[in-house]
Amino acid sequence: GAGVSQSPSNKVTEKGKDVELRCDPISGHTALYWYRQSLGQGLEFLIYFQGNSAPDKSGLPSDRFSAERTGGSVSTLTIQRTQQEDSAVYLCASSLAFTAPGFFGQGTRLTVV
Amino acid sequence: SQQGEEDPQALSIQEGENATMNCSYKTSINNLQWYRQNSGRGLVHLILIRSNEREKHSGRLRVTLDTSKKSSSLLITASRAADTASYFCATDGTSNTGKLIFGQGTTLQVKP
Repeated sequence: GAGVSQSPSNKVTEKGKDVELRCDPISGHTALYWYRQSLGQGLEFLIYFQGNSAPDKSGLPSDRFSAERTGGSVSTLTIQRTQQEDSAVYLCASSLAFTAPGFFGQGTRLTVV
Repeated sequence: SQQGEEDPQALSIQEGENATMNCSYKTSINNLQWYRQNSGRGLVHLILIRSNEREKHSGRLRVTLDTSKKSSSLLITASRAADTASYFCATDGTSNTGKLIFGQGTTLQVKP
């Protein structure tokens, strides 16, 4: 596709359930990032993938959060046993290299009820 | 923790006026980027300025970078109602990991 695609656009889940968020980066982009944005706040870094290197997971808030990137392309962010404080917009971005501008998807708005 | 801090947090101006937003950061950087966000969803990249650059222009946008003060400014000239959005600066540090650290953003309202 022409841009970064995220799915679903919106997700409402019950507390305690697991959710999977998907990101399709721009073809050829080796760098992929996940961020979280709570209402009215800035972006909080979660995880970063660069090529075949080990991902930088330093931003994941707890062990309930995990992410993988298969084949250097599509990435899935998984949140287990969701809590209400996980409610936020989850944004994915990709770039040609870490020194290049990032292109963001439209995000997944997660609501935990 | 946030690397960048934008100032002001909110700015309201009339169409045609200039808008200036500032960003301060804490560590050394390779580059600094400015993004715009409409309606709380996807971000749009505006400008990337490298640490060895002092000023960069793109259309009505002008970005300056002062590495000695660890600060940057974004100037939007001749603002339009369509410029109403939140603006964020993001820095990468010098860890070469690509991890962008965003500030809290400046919310700009341009009144027609």
